[in-house]
Amino acid sequence: DAKTTQPTSMDCAEGRAANLPCNHSTISGNEYVYWYRQIHSQGPQYIIHGLKNNETNEMASLIITEDRKSSTLILPHATLRDTAVYYCHLSSNTGKLIFGQGTTLQVKP
Amino acid sequence: GAVVSQHPSWVICKSGTSVKIECRSLDFQATTMFWYRQFPKQSLMLMATSNEGSKATHEQGVEKDKFLINHASLTLSTLTVTSAHPEDSSFYICSVRPLSYNEQFFGPGTRLTVL
Repeated sequence: DAKTTQPTSMDCAEGRAANLPCNHSTISGNEYVYWYRQIHSQGPQYIIHGLKNNETNEMASLIITEDRKSSTLILPHATLRDTAVYYCHLSSNTGKLIFGQGTTLQVKP
Repeated sequence: GAVVSQHPSWVICKSGTSVKIECRSLDFQATTMFWYRQFPKQSLMLMATSNEGSKATHEQGVEKDKFLINHASLTLSTLTVTSAHPEDSSFYICSVRPLSYNEQFFGPGTRLTVL
């Protein structure tokens, strides 16, 4: 799998937007960017994915740069329940997900 | 997305016993399921890929005879930790990748404690 790099941790004030960056400079043309999160002591949860266009769903927005070498997950109005570890992945032909350390997002009141 | 269940949600066992963990895809058929293990304050580690009707593929360093996987139907995969030892205590999580999906949907996890 191509590698992604994310900051280890971030803080965000409750009600504000949380912007989580991910670098994937070696991404190839047909690889998608996927985001998952894991709330403490739970299984990971799929959030969103995209190829090159920006995407939005009920959980988040995904902004992918034009060169596709980085992306940003945006939680528009973070709540305390959004405190979690957020993982950025690239799709693979095998379907495997190899988890890095992700970004620990702490939403503070 | 797919709904995935795991049973049991937690288990405590004595050293040397075997423990079976079930992973069920409740609303999608899945030819492929994945098993992960997570130690405290660490990320998930992929253990094996479970393929319906064929042998599982274990990741390097994961003993296939220690961690037995059976994927007997399109909705059920089981992981058996044989002769469990305290170092096998961990959070075990399965995931499902339904047909026509690229994303994975995860179960709630099973916490195993070996005394």
